[in-house]
Amino acid sequence: LAKTTQPISMDSYEGQEVNITCSHNNIATNDYITWYQQFPSQGPRFIIQGYKTKVTNEVASLFIPADRKSSTLSLPRVSLSDTAVYYCLVGAFSGGYNKLIFGAGTRLAVHP
Amino acid sequence: EPEVTQTPSHQVTQMGQEVILRCVPISNHLYFYWYRQILGQKVEFLVSFYNNEISEKSEIFDDQFSVERPDGSNFTLKIRSTKLEDSAMYFCASNAAGIDMDEQFFGPGTRLTVL
Repeated sequence: LAKTTQPISMDSYEGQEVNITCSHNNIATNDYITWYQQFPSQGPRFIIQGYKTKVTNEVASLFIPADRKSSTLSLPRVSLSDTAVYYCLVGAFSGGYNKLIFGAGTRLAVHP
Repeated sequence: EPEVTQTPSHQVTQMGQEVILRCVPISNHLYFYWYRQILGQKVEFLVSFYNNEISEKSEIFDDQFSVERPDGSNFTLKIRSTKLEDSAMYFCASNAAGIDMDEQFFGPGTRLTVL
């Protein structure tokens, strides 16, 4: 499994765009990049997954450069309710069985 | 929207006692998991379950732990003789097969407190 590095914490204000970057220098050819979100005292929640270039859904965008050694999760116009821990995970796409290995994540605090 | 449910939400037990944590995965899912998170620490994989047997377990999942799918809907984690260090949030998760996105669905968790 590729090792990931992401900032321990970030602060933002309501209405701002937040970009959280994850480094994964040893990503393998068949690895995908997946982001999960965890609110306090709740289970993690899948946000987005991508392989290359850009992926967008109703919650976030994921930008992956051509060398795939990093990725950036972009949260548009955050609100207080986006305060959470965000995890970047890298691993082979399975289409089924998928043990998740979480790191420490990035603790995002959104302020009024 | 379907969701994974877990009971109880909070379990308090004495050291050495047995506990059973219960989960109801999403009905058409085939892969089931237990994770735990000690307060202030990262989420850790415990065990995965597929086709009525354990497919993988971590070194945390020792002989004191067991899992079972007693019927078509429930998925349980049993800790035979609890220790103080078993105090944690325990999350059940599940996902479907043949999907185009590796999305795992987590339950709300059971907070286990061992006294």
